[in-house]
Amino acid sequence: DAGVIQSPRHEVTEMGQEVTLRCKPISGHNSLFWYRQTMMRGLELLIYFNNNVPIDDSGMPEDRFSAKMPNASFSTLKIQPSEPRDSAVYFCASSSTAGGGNQPQHFGDGTRLSIL
Amino acid sequence: KQEVTQIPAALSVPEGENLVLNCSFTDSAIYNLQWFRQDPGKGLTSLLLIQSSQREQTSGRLNASLDKSSGRSTLYIAASQPGDSATYLCAVRPGGGGNKLTFGTGTQLKVEL
Repeated sequence: DAGVIQSPRHEVTEMGQEVTLRCKPISGHNSLFWYRQTMMRGLELLIYFNNNVPIDDSGMPEDRFSAKMPNASFSTLKIQPSEPRDSAVYFCASSSTAGGGNQPQHFGDGTRLSIL
Repeated sequence: KQEVTQIPAALSVPEGENLVLNCSFTDSAIYNLQWFRQDPGKGLTSLLLIQSSQREQTSGRLNASLDKSSGRSTLYIAASQPGDSATYLCAVRPGGGGNKLTFGTGTQLKVEL
């Protein structure tokens, strides 16, 4: 079975540039999550979607961050303009709401983002 | 606000030893608790999920327990192997609805030959 697929795996870009991270969830999963992981703050939820609709975006740090889910098989996280403090590993995860919500989240391998 | 703490932050044990990782949380109104492992450069892999009504879950050499009233969970690893070396994280889902997991900072485990 294909897991959660993220691209690119690594991204190095200069401050001020637009960055777009992509995620393909597991087929049949209807919840999608974007996380950010840093040494200082650990793993933080940025936003999650249920059935392609954003449910909680309270973790999105600033207006420079935006996320979309145009269909059940694709989501993007965009940072514009990017800043050095955005450097982190960004993870996408998906899960199913079947079983009353007691289904585990499945993570992609992440995008390691470095803003110079 | 839910806070999740994992102690110890790092642990090194010889191969074959049984070990226990600890997770504590401040708000006992949880829906479930999950244990994950994370290998370097990889995402998180779900190991066990314990529903709020359950006391424990087992998978192979892993056993996770949950004491909701005291805000504690433990992950027991039997007969540890070098392949168990990874960072282990616990995460709680709130009982009031919503799908937002709160993660602990993890325990970095090294199993030595």
